[in-house]
Amino acid sequence: GAVVSQHPSRVICKSGTSVKIECRSLDFQATTMFWYRQFPKKSLMLMATSNEGSKATYEQGVEKDKFLINHASLTLSTLTVTSAHPEDSSFYICSAGASVNWGGQFFGPGTRLTVL
Amino acid sequence: AQTVTQSQPEMSVQEAETVTLSCTYDTSENNYYLFWYKQPPSRQMILVIRQEAYKQQNATENRFSVNFQKAAKSFSLKISDSQLGDTAMYFCASPLYNNDMRFGAGTRLTVKP
Repeated sequence: GAVVSQHPSRVICKSGTSVKIECRSLDFQATTMFWYRQFPKKSLMLMATSNEGSKATYEQGVEKDKFLINHASLTLSTLTVTSAHPEDSSFYICSAGASVNWGGQFFGPGTRLTVL
Repeated sequence: AQTVTQSQPEMSVQEAETVTLSCTYDTSENNYYLFWYKQPPSRQMILVIRQEAYKQQNATENRFSVNFQKAAKSFSLKISDSQLGDTAMYFCASPLYNNDMRFGAGTRLTVKP
């Protein structure tokens, strides 16, 4: 299957700083990428849908000014957590959409963010 | 809105035995896809099996198979000959028209030696 990488895998930062997480599709072009947040022992919660060359679509309740998403190319999407606070600590997972005919997504390994 | 429901928060099974995880969903679509994903302790989401709704035949992948009941909107996962490495969270999921995946709450499966 297709490979999606995510960097960094783990990051610890101080409150008030910004953190950027990169998501790359390594062997295919992804016109659509997705960002999820996962709390411990919970399911994946979709934060936003990122489309190459256009603005991301955010789910209700997700602050677009807090979670900046950029999808500058067909292989790269970035999530920037701005002015991070301890409540932003979580596991963030990106995925890339496969073809519409296949219907699924390929997932990155996730990034654990800890805000002190 | 499309929803996916997993009513079993936790399950356990003895090694080499068979276990079935339940999933129901609600959709107004006629053609759609259904997925089971596995999330082991590493937290990497791994595709287990995929079903296309217009296909009547149940999907199988080695020890994994599904029981797809379209009219009942049920999509259960059967794991045969359970192995210790099957211990993980299992998520049932279905994408909306734009591949926007909706996940169930998950079932934590423990395979006991």
